[in-house]
Amino acid sequence: EDQVTQSPEALRLQEGESSSLNCSYTVSGLRGLFWYRQDPGKGPEFLFTLYSAGEEKEKERLKATLTKKESFLHITAPKPEDSATYLCALLREGGGNKLTFGTGTQLKVEL
Amino acid sequence: DGGITQSPKYLFRKEGQNVTLSCEQNLNHDAMYWYRQDPGQGLRLIYYSQIVNDFQKGDIAEGYSVSREKKESFPLTVTSAQKNPTAFYLCASSPRANTGELFFGEGSRLTVL
Repeated sequence: EDQVTQSPEALRLQEGESSSLNCSYTVSGLRGLFWYRQDPGKGPEFLFTLYSAGEEKEKERLKATLTKKESFLHITAPKPEDSATYLCALLREGGGNKLTFGTGTQLKVEL
Repeated sequence: DGGITQSPKYLFRKEGQNVTLSCEQNLNHDAMYWYRQDPGQGLRLIYYSQIVNDFQKGDIAEGYSVSREKKESFPLTVTSAQKNPTAFYLCASSPRANTGELFFGEGSRLTVL
């Protein structure tokens, strides 16, 4: 069975304090690994897709990386507006439309 | 502005009542989805539709029903058969099927009293 585990559950950073969020996964064949950002009371917003180990994607202060067992979301010099819950999800080869989501990491960036 | 509109944002229901959540998109996307989000759990797929007049059950379809009569619309009915309906419901769409790049609406929070 496909599985996605995100850690930590919650993370508190000071503004400018870089860190990484982890997404560990197990799947028989990976079609894609996806990162989303979700603000409180809102729907998730798509950030990145990663398809194969070694791939990296960047957007502003965020960089997503992928290995055969994990994905990391690196946050460089975060700002308070980066505070949100970050969700990781995977799509299995031959899995159709069924994304498997992790439970998310709740990030709070303080001044 | 293109996007997905869900309504109502908040809904209260008495036990035994059916309720329908609306989802409309003007992105011209073929595929639409309904997810349920509960505290401490990942999003779970209820139903999805790849094309008009066709839809498939997701992982937790029991107690729910959908229709896809128009490309733009994918309403979800939460029936009285759903044992634990209190949750945050999210509608999403994608330009094609078999992708994880979804566009989500703002959600509907259903509370059963």
